[in-house]
Amino acid sequence: KNQVEQSPQSLIILEGKNCTLQCNYTVSPFSNLRWYKQDTGRGPVSLTIMTFSENTKSNGRYTATLDADTKQSSLHITASQLSDSASYICVVSATGAGSYQLTFGKGTKLSVIP
Amino acid sequence: ETGVTQTPRHLVMGMTNKKSLKCEQHLGHNAMYWYKQSAKKPLELMFVYSLEERVENNSVPSRFSPECPNSSHLFLHLHTLQPEDSALYLCASSQRLQGAVGELFFGEGSRLTVL
Repeated sequence: KNQVEQSPQSLIILEGKNCTLQCNYTVSPFSNLRWYKQDTGRGPVSLTIMTFSENTKSNGRYTATLDADTKQSSLHITASQLSDSASYICVVSATGAGSYQLTFGKGTKLSVIP
Repeated sequence: ETGVTQTPRHLVMGMTNKKSLKCEQHLGHNAMYWYKQSAKKPLELMFVYSLEERVENNSVPSRFSPECPNSSHLFLHLHTLQPEDSALYLCASSQRLQGAVGELFFGEGSRLTVL
């Protein structure tokens, strides 16, 4: 069964600090891995999409890494800001039959405090 | 107007009511999706419309019925819902490329409360 596990479930950090969120997946055959940011009560917004051949991708202060061998990804946030407070969702896409189906993690809820 | 627009943003309805959620995308995409997001659960795919093909999650109750009159508009018709159907309903669109889901663009969601 395809699964995406994210850790931690929630995280509180001080403004200006860095943090790393983790995503482990068991999705096969792998197509790509995506990170989304979702503000409370809003729709998710795409941060990065990585294919099998990409092991690092940045979007401003957000840097995602992918290790396709160990089936792990991380999202690193540098110099956090109050506006980074949100849920971060890891999503893995498979190829082949049922390829409409994306496997979503439950998300990590990040709170950045002053 | 750009992106994916959902209306209404908030909806409260009784179990005997009939209502509809509306979604419109201005991105020229060829696939549209309905997702359900419940507290502390992953997003759940409900329906997909892509290139005149409809795909549905078999676990979705028949009290939810989608309609896609064209590639830019998507509706979710609701009737005789249950309190456990209260959730955030998200519409999304993407390009459908060689059997894969392109980058998803989500609307702001419709927060549904069933009394």
